[in-house]
Amino acid sequence: KNQVEQSPQSLIILEGKNCTLQCNYTVSPFSNLRWYKQDTGRGPVSLTIMTFSENTKSNGRYTATLDADTKQSSLHITASQLSDSASYICVVSAYRGSTLGRLYFGRGTQLTVWP
Amino acid sequence: DTEVTQTPKHLVMGMTNKKSLKCEQHMGHRAMYWYKQKAKKPPELMFVYSYEKLSINESVPSRFSPECPNSSLLNLHLHALQPEDSALYLCASSQDGTSGSINEQFFGPGTRLTVL
Repeated sequence: KNQVEQSPQSLIILEGKNCTLQCNYTVSPFSNLRWYKQDTGRGPVSLTIMTFSENTKSNGRYTATLDADTKQSSLHITASQLSDSASYICVVSAYRGSTLGRLYFGRGTQLTVWP
Repeated sequence: DTEVTQTPKHLVMGMTNKKSLKCEQHMGHRAMYWYKQKAKKPPELMFVYSYEKLSINESVPSRFSPECPNSSLLNLHLHALQPEDSALYLCASSQDGTSGSINEQFFGPGTRLTVL
């Protein structure tokens, strides 16, 4: 069964600290993995997207890693800011050849940054 | 223009009303999506249009009726909804509907729907 599991479910950190969010998946065949940031009541915004051959990708203070062998990904946030408070969603795309690819969403990690 | 826009931002409707949600993108994308998202849950796929044709309907009740008038617009017509249909409705678009490419989905800000 194609699944995406994220941990922790929620996380509270102090402003300026670093944190790492985890994503494990069983989606197969794998096409790509994305991390989205979603503010409450808003649409998800893409942070990074990685294919099978990519191990790491950065976007400012966000760095995502991918281990396709163990089917694990992480999102590392450095020097957190109050505006980083949001839900971070791991999304895995399944390869379907010429037909429509399907996205599998994790439940998200709710990050709260305190001053 | 790398934006997906949705209107209205908020909508309150009764169970006997008929209303429509609208989504627009001008990125030249040929695949457009409707998702439903309940609080603290991930988005659930409802419909996918690929090249203006409905390609996926995730067994959505007929009280939700999608329409794709052209490659830039996507509507969701609502009729006789139930209170449990209250949710955030997200529209997304991607370059095309295949998985051969990265095919990143860009999401709109959503419409917060409340059914009384």
